[in-house]
Amino acid sequence: GENVEQHPSTLSVQEGDSAVIKCTYSDSASNYFPWYKQELGKRPQLIIDIRSNVGEKKDQRIAVTLNKTAKHFSLHITETQPEDSAVYFCAASISDYKLSFGAGTTVTVRA
Amino acid sequence: SQTIHQWPATLVQPVGSPLSLECTVEGTSNPNLYWYRQAAGRGLQLLFYSVGIGQISSEVPQNLSASRPQDRQFILSSKKLLLSDSGFYLCAWNSGTFTQYFGPGTRLTVL
Repeated sequence: GENVEQHPSTLSVQEGDSAVIKCTYSDSASNYFPWYKQELGKRPQLIIDIRSNVGEKKDQRIAVTLNKTAKHFSLHITETQPEDSAVYFCAASISDYKLSFGAGTTVTVRA
Repeated sequence: SQTIHQWPATLVQPVGSPLSLECTVEGTSNPNLYWYRQAAGRGLQLLFYSVGIGQISSEVPQNLSASRPQDRQFILSSKKLLLSDSGFYLCAWNSGTFTQYFGPGTRLTVL
């Protein structure tokens, strides 16, 4: 089945700096790649997603890039703020409308 | 708009006791429904998913079971809880796309 690897597992950045999280997937049939943000004790919330026919997507301070040839995709957060502190999960689509999730990255933004 | 509910929000149960968690979705028809478990500080483990009434697929063999008695109702059950069943249980839905939306979750502690 699909295997999604996510790195790093923890990331600490100074407020105002950028944060980058990288994921790799194994199934070349995967064509949908969402990113979720989970604050402590809350549900995961979709923050951005990308489909395989697009190489990059941006929404304000958040962007996602996809390299289908290399089977990796990345989340970029610019001008980080304290409220960006959370756990971020990447995922890749697999059969029957299922998603395979990465293990998560805990992002801490230092004031 | 669509809304997903889960109850109870928190639950403390003794080892060996039964379990019933409920999830309902409003504002959509024939959704795909999912149960995930998240152990403390860990990622999302898919337990069950359902593409229709009475149709349940199990991802991980264990002492849990799921049922879908109505189109927009998904129930997670156990006859005898184990300590290892403690965690944050999340229900999710999607309809016609890969994008999954999570419910608020149930935090289960087995003592």
